[in-house]
Parts: sequence; structure tokens; C-alpha cells
Amino acid sequence: DVKVTQSSRYLVKRTGEKVFLECVQDMDHENMFWYRQDPGLGLRLIYFSYDVKMKEKGDIPEGYSVSREKKERFSLILESASTNQTSMYLCASSPGRGAYEQYFGPGTRLTVT
Amino acid sequence: KQEVTQIPAALSVPEGENLVLNCSFTDSAIYNLQWFRQDPGKGLTSLLLIQSSQREQTSGRLNASLDKSSGRSTLYIAASQPGDSATYLCAVRPLEYGNKLVFGAGTILRVKS
Repeated sequence: DVKVTQSSRYLVKRTGEKVFLECVQDMDHENMFWYRQDPGLGLRLIYFSYDVKMKEKGDIPEGYSVSREKKERFSLILESASTNQTSMYLCASSPGRGAYEQYFGPGTRLTVT
Repeated sequence: KQEVTQIPAALSVPEGENLVLNCSFTDSAIYNLQWFRQDPGKGLTSLLLIQSSQREQTSGRLNASLDKSSGRSTLYIAASQPGDSATYLCAVRPLEYGNKLVFGAGTILRVKS
């Protein structure tokens, strides 16, 4: 079974803090994704990566950056957390460049106060 | 721009009923369509993936159909159980955007015992 894990289930940070969300997958997938999910807005893609050190912006990259130094790990960074970044963050991975399934992690509920 | 709509937004049924969840999308140029289940506060679990060349996929009590030309998919759940209570999301992978998924807002299903 594909396993996608996220470093924290719940996280509380203060405004202005730098926040790191970590995602690890164990299936040697090339592609990894970060989404945020908000009531009424659904899931929106923040960034994705199709290879080590490669990244592309999604729909809402503002206020976020990402890092992929190793194939299995994809980090989402909030350089200076703000209250409007309070959300559920979901990581996903998928293999190759074909029409494959995306597999999701359990999510991190981030609250910025 | 691809848009995905799910109807109904919420559904409550007695245990044992067969039910249909609907998903429509505006652009038929897709690689595939994926149905997910999400339990409260949790990540997404992939249920079924239908490639653009396929008409349907089945897994246990679940059957998903795809009519690409009309931009519609249905998820049929047979003999519903209280454990089926969750939010069901559909997502399409547009040809235009490579790896990106476009999600619907979901249908919240409650199966009453």
C-alpha cells in the first residue's frame, strides 16, 4: 500500500512565525503535491513537484514556498504565517507522468493565532 | 477553465438504500476522473479512478461511471451502511494542466441506522 505521511496532525503557530509542514511518501513517486482545504472553497493546489528540486506553482502559491531535496520528501514552508493561512493542509503523491491516481496523506490542521 | 460541480451538496438516507452521487465537469478534455472519500478531519482516500477511455469502474459496493462527452460521472453506492457516512469528492485531471487535479466541493453523505 502507498503510504503518505505528514509530520503533524495538528499545529498551532503564532502570526509571523516560520512554519514547516513535512510530507513523506514511501512509494518512490515522482510527483508530490500540497493542497489546502477550506470550507466552501474545496481543495486548492498550492505547489507541486514532479522531480527532486523541481517545483511548479499551483493556484494559490502566494505566501508559501516549497522544498524537495529528496524524492520521498516534500516540504511546505510558510515564511511568515498569517491568520488567513489557518486551514487543513493535505499532501499527495502520484507516480510518473501518466494518468495515475493521487494518494493523500492524513492532513495537518494548522491554526495561526 | 475547468469547473467541477457535485450534486447534491448533502444527502441523508436510511441504511440499506442504494444511492447515486453526481459529478459534472465543464471541459471533456481530461486524462481521468477520481472519486475520493473523506472522513471528518481526515485526509482523502481514493475510491475509484476512471481513465478517459473507460466507461465505468467497480470496487465492492461502489460503481463509478464516466460519460466524458456529456461531462458527467456518477458514483453508485449499493446497500448503504452507516460506515459509508463521509464526504465524497470527485476530481478530474485536465489534459491542459498535466498533473493538476480539479476538485468538486463534495457531497456530504449521512447513512442513518
